[in-house]
Amino acid sequence: AQSVTQLDSQVPVFEEAPVELRCNYSSSVSVYLFWYVQYPNQGLQLLLKYLSGSTLVESINGFEAEFNKSQTSFHLRKPSVHISDTAEYFCAVSALPSGSARQLTFGSGTQLTVLP
Amino acid sequence: GAGVSQTPSNKVTEKGKYVELRCDPISGHTALYWYRQSLGQGPEFLIYFQGTGAADDSGLPNDRFFAVRPEGSVSTLKIQRTERGDSAVYLCASSHGPVNGGELFFGEGSRLTVL
Repeated sequence: AQSVTQLDSQVPVFEEAPVELRCNYSSSVSVYLFWYVQYPNQGLQLLLKYLSGSTLVESINGFEAEFNKSQTSFHLRKPSVHISDTAEYFCAVSALPSGSARQLTFGSGTQLTVLP
Repeated sequence: GAGVSQTPSNKVTEKGKYVELRCDPISGHTALYWYRQSLGQGPEFLIYFQGTGAADDSGLPNDRFFAVRPEGSVSTLKIQRTERGDSAVYLCASSHGPVNGGELFFGEGSRLTVL
């Protein structure tokens, strides 16, 4: 089984400041890693994912995340945030096809609030 | 529409009543998932369909919960003898196939309140 820990439930940050949202996971098998975002009054949508290859992955709106196998982490970062980045962010894992799980396991979420 | 559609968006019911929540996935998506999101928590897996059959129902909390997908498209989540603890947002998602490596497309959810 897999589990995901997002230690920070709330992260307030001023506009144009950098931000890091932390995610740690636990799994007995290799995993794929995801960040999903939920904007106010919208459904969850995929922000970025790590499947294989380069451990640094990027989204189209400037977020990046780095897979660190030794630390079992997949922290999300952005060097300069905008008001429009205000949303709830969920880290998620799924087991590789050889594993038993065929669904995403989510963390409890981090509410990012960007202040003017 | 192009996205995952869920109805109703809000449902208020009394304890002990029966509830049905409907999900219309993206056309052509063979995989369909139900998740439950309680206040302050992330989505919690309930059940996964591949086509018409429930490939994994290990997340259903008890036998009051049941889901069907008779024609491999629309799915209905059914909750019998509702309890106050069932209050949550029920999310439906679909994808081209099993989620490993793929992307889940979520609906906006059905908010269930049991009084």
